[in-house]
Amino acid sequence: EVQLVESGGGLVQPGGSLRLSCVASGFTFSSYAMSWVRQAPGKGLEWVSSISVSGANTYFTDSVKGRFTISRDNSKNMLFLQINSLRVEDTALYYCAKGWLTTALFDSWGQGTLVTVSS
Amino acid sequence: DIVMTQSPDSLAVSLGERATINCKSSQSVLYSSSNKNYLTWYRQKPGQPPELLIYWASTRQSGVPDRFSGSGSGTDFTLTISSLQSEDVAVYYCQQSYSPPWTFGQGTKVEI
Repeated sequence: EVQLVESGGGLVQPGGSLRLSCVASGFTFSSYAMSWVRQAPGKGLEWVSSISVSGANTYFTDSVKGRFTISRDNSKNMLFLQINSLRVEDTALYYCAKGWLTTALFDSWGQGTLVTVSS
Repeated sequence: DIVMTQSPDSLAVSLGERATINCKSSQSVLYSSSNKNYLTWYRQKPGQPPELLIYWASTRQSGVPDRFSGSGSGTDFTLTISSLQSEDVAVYYCQQSYSPPWTFGQGTKVEI
């Protein structure tokens, strides 16, 4: 059974930083692209970032370019999202999602980790 | 960016009745080389993460009940729930995986 467990969220002031982690199990992590998708409270889904199997290729939505970094450690089955220069509008539940068939077809999701940006 | 627009924003359907949700993309999501539409449907039950229902516009994910079906091509797509069950109360999202940024529709809330 595929399991994705996120951690690292919390309350942070504007301009602060966090590092989100996602531990994967139940599948060959090194064979699949991975992504982060976020959902602001009471709002819809927004794709944030994706990373290729090897980590060589990364993709970001425009609003986070230059502030967020995605990475993975295939030896530890882990996905990361370094988020810097946080803004109030980054407040959201951040989901880790497994890619399937294509980078952006998400067939498994974690329960999410909540990031709250507030002074 | 490809803008995904769903309609309606919400709908109320009686148990056992049909529910239809529409999704329109601002440009075609059909890859001519593969003849596949890069359009996916997800269901998000209250308090839960999304789950994959339909991909390539009309292919049901393994384990998804056959009351769910997808149709359409190019820019216009439809998700149909043929006989609504109580567990189908959820928000449904379409998403394009044709080109980044990979965008979602605003969601359609289905209620009994």
